[in-house]
Amino acid sequence: GNSVTQMEGPVTLSEEAFLTINCTYTATGYPSLFWYVQYPGEGLQLLLKATKADDKGSNKGFEATYRKETTSFHLEKGSVQVSDSAVYFCALSGEKGGSEKLVFGKGTKLTVNP
Amino acid sequence: NAGVTQTPKFQVLKTGQSMTLQCAQDMNHEYMSWYRQDPGMGLRLIHYSVGAGITDQGEVPNGYNVSRSTTEDFPLRLLSAAPSQTSVYFCASSYRRDSGREQFFGPGTRLTVL
Repeated sequence: GNSVTQMEGPVTLSEEAFLTINCTYTATGYPSLFWYVQYPGEGLQLLLKATKADDKGSNKGFEATYRKETTSFHLEKGSVQVSDSAVYFCALSGEKGGSEKLVFGKGTKLTVNP
Repeated sequence: NAGVTQTPKFQVLKTGQSMTLQCAQDMNHEYMSWYRQDPGMGLRLIHYSVGAGITDQGEVPNGYNVSRSTTEDFPLRLLSAAPSQTSVYFCASSYRRDSGREQFFGPGTRLTVL
């Protein structure tokens, strides 16, 4: 079945540092890929997405590129802020599975210190 | 729009008790899902629905029932609570069966079973 493997944390960075959170997936066909973010005490919210190979999703300075050849969707940000402290989840919805059935990675907790 | 709402926010049960977690959305979304979030496990799909009157099992359905009598509501029932069901529960909805569509999440219900 479909699965997502993401870098496990926690990850601790200083403000303005470069961030990479690795995500690789196993899926049949051409899944859509997502990064969700969960701020403390809140539900998940979509950060960015890509629906086909070589697409780049971007939002709030974060970027991720859908790489089919390496089955990856790594999250990057050039300069993190304290407000980026949260848990980040990589997820996919399969070609045959619709948007009602996301498969999530285990999450990566990011802490950014001033 | 209120988006996806969940009640209660917190609940403590004794082993063997039953309860219903409420979920409602006001976005006229066809698809709704229930996930549980456990430390180090990410989110796992419990049950989902693709429309009123239609439900199906996800990855971890045992011990839970659902029904979907209206488009807006998707309650999750715990029939006989067990300590293994201690978790944070998230309800989510999405517009239609398009794998590129994002899911919108509620704020979650934190459940403790003693």
